Amino acid sequence: AQRVTQPEKLLSVFKGAPVELKCNYSYSGSPELFWYVQYSRQRLQLLLRHISRESIKGFTADLNKGETSFHLKKPFAQEEDSAMYYCALETGANNLFFGTGTRLTVIP
Amino acid sequence: DVKVTQSSRYLVKRTGEKVFLECVQDMDHENMFWYRQDPGLGLRLIYFSYDVKMKEKGDIPEGYSVSREKKERFSLILESASTNQTSMYLCATNRTPPRDEQFFGPGTRLTVL
Repeated sequence: AQRVTQPEKLLSVFKGAPVELKCNYSYSGSPELFWYVQYSRQRLQLLLRHISRESIKGFTADLNKGETSFHLKKPFAQEEDSAMYYCALETGANNLFFGTGTRLTVIP
Repeated sequence: DVKVTQSSRYLVKRTGEKVFLECVQDMDHENMFWYRQDPGLGLRLIYFSYDVKMKEKGDIPEGYSVSREKKERFSLILESASTNQTSMYLCATNRTPPRDEQFFGPGTRLTVL
């Protein structure tokens, strides 16, 4: 069965420090992976998807099929990055399976 | 720009009441979804719909039903609300495949007393 694991519920980093939000998935087929973000008092929105291989707001994520991971990284965290981050897996049936989320706090 | 609206931001109901949550999208998307969002549990899919009058169960459909009479509107119904249905409810929409991002509404925070 498909599953998405985000091991950290809370993550705090200092401004300017590197940040990595971990995501591991379990799926036997060809996955499509996403990172969604929810800023305070805003709606959930797409941050990036692996197939586009682009950097959004300085964040990148690489799909590692060997380790079944899709970790989100940013070299220098900013205060405005503080938010709730969800990793999500799409299995081809147009349904998204979400992880439990990681709340990132960037300390000034 | 996709706009997904939900009928209420906050809702307080009593146990046993019938509750309707409405979602409307203006982008002619085929697919619509209802999730509930709970701390420590993430987002869990309740029901989804690929077309008018069509519905499919998600991961946690028990205690819920849905209605899609028009393409732009997807309703979530709690036939008899219970306290364990206190949650944030999110509606989302997207086009048919290829795998497209989902666009979310602002959410409805439902409290069942």
